[in-house]
Amino acid sequence: EDQVTQSPEALRLQEGESSSLNCSYTVSGLRGLFWYRQDPGKGPEFLFTLYSAGEEKEKERLKATLTKKESFLHITAPKPEDSATYLCAVQSGGSYIPTFGRGTSLIVHP
Amino acid sequence: EPEVTQTPSHQVTQMGQEVILRCVPISNHLYFYWYRQILGQKVEFLVSFYNNEISEKSEIFDDQFSVERPDGSNFTLKIRSTKLEDSAMYFCASSEAPKGKETQYFGPGTRLLVL
Repeated sequence: EDQVTQSPEALRLQEGESSSLNCSYTVSGLRGLFWYRQDPGKGPEFLFTLYSAGEEKEKERLKATLTKKESFLHITAPKPEDSATYLCAVQSGGSYIPTFGRGTSLIVHP
Repeated sequence: EPEVTQTPSHQVTQMGQEVILRCVPISNHLYFYWYRQILGQKVEFLVSFYNNEISEKSEIFDDQFSVERPDGSNFTLKIRSTKLEDSAMYFCASSEAPKGKETQYFGPGTRLLVL
């Protein structure tokens, strides 16, 4: 069974204070790893898809990286509008069903 | 930018009643999904749908649930006899085919409250 663990559960940062969120996973044959942003009461908003170890993707202040066991979402100089829950999900084997982690709740204080 | 839409945004129903949640996937997408998220918990997969039939379903998706694509744009989730534990946010998602089908785009959700 696929396992996805995100840490920390919650993170408070000051505006401009860079940090990283972690997603560790245990799967048999990674098909893809996904990062989503979720605002309260809203649906997950797609950020990145990573397929193989060593891959990196960037979007504005966010950068996602992937190893064989974990992925990091680096947030550089965050702003208050980056406050949200960040979800990690994996697909494995022949299935397109993603298994989600519990998410990291990020609050960025001005 | 194309997006997945869902209606209604909120639904309150009595236990035992039937509810139908509606979704309009992104127009060139051919794979459709339903998920739920109980308050404070993980997003959980319910069912995937392709070519007018269910592709995969989870243990949650029992005989009380059904999905349908009644026309070329809508995708619905029906719960025949709602239970208290069905209270959750229900998200529809879609992905394109054949390339890029791994990435799913989610709608804003329907908050279902069963009393």
